[in-house]
Amino acid sequence: KAGVTQTPRYLIKTRGQQVTLSCSPISGHRSVSWYQQTPGQGLQFLFEYFSETQRNKGNFPGRFSGRQFSNSRSEMNVSTLELGDSALYLCATALQMNTGELFFGEGSRLTVL
Amino acid sequence: GENVEQHPSTLSVQEGDSAVIKCTYSDSASNYFPWYKQELGKRPQLIIDIRSNVGEKKDQRIAVTLNKTAKHFSLHITETQPEDSAVYFCAAKSGGSNYKLTFGKGTLLTVNP
Repeated sequence: KAGVTQTPRYLIKTRGQQVTLSCSPISGHRSVSWYQQTPGQGLQFLFEYFSETQRNKGNFPGRFSGRQFSNSRSEMNVSTLELGDSALYLCATALQMNTGELFFGEGSRLTVL
Repeated sequence: GENVEQHPSTLSVQEGDSAVIKCTYSDSASNYFPWYKQELGKRPQLIIDIRSNVGEKKDQRIAVTLNKTAKHFSLHITETQPEDSAVYFCAAKSGGSNYKLTFGKGTLLTVNP
């Protein structure tokens, strides 16, 4: 079956702009989590969605937001982009909330100029 | 919240040697400890995990040990091969309502032929 799909894979934005990233989970997976990956900082948790509701949130400013649709697809949005937002944004899905293995997408690499 | 420290940040070994990566966590309520491997330019993938009711788990050349009292867990790779070269991330999942997965900052393992 198809894996986790993230779009777009690469994008370049300028400071002050906003960006929307999309994640389509593996069929049947209802939990979608988002992580920011930067060199030296590892994987930092942004938020987790399940049944269209945000269930948990990391320590990121309010410029970072997300949502989940009835088909479990998720989007995350970053407004008023800053240079420090340049990172690989990874989506990870699971069958249920608070379960074991996460399945990651290949990520969306955002560059902010 | 949970804090996961991972050491070393880089590790270089000769093919056939063993490699050990160590992690400590802060939340005594954490109950699930996975390890992910991320090859260059690819998505993180689960390689092994352990739950808090188990002290050790082994899968072929890979083993994980958990010391709940000391709040640390380790990944052991024996008979390393060049294809083991990757970044390895440990993680800890808190119990209760704050169940998010917190990752360490990663260890870059290089296996020299």
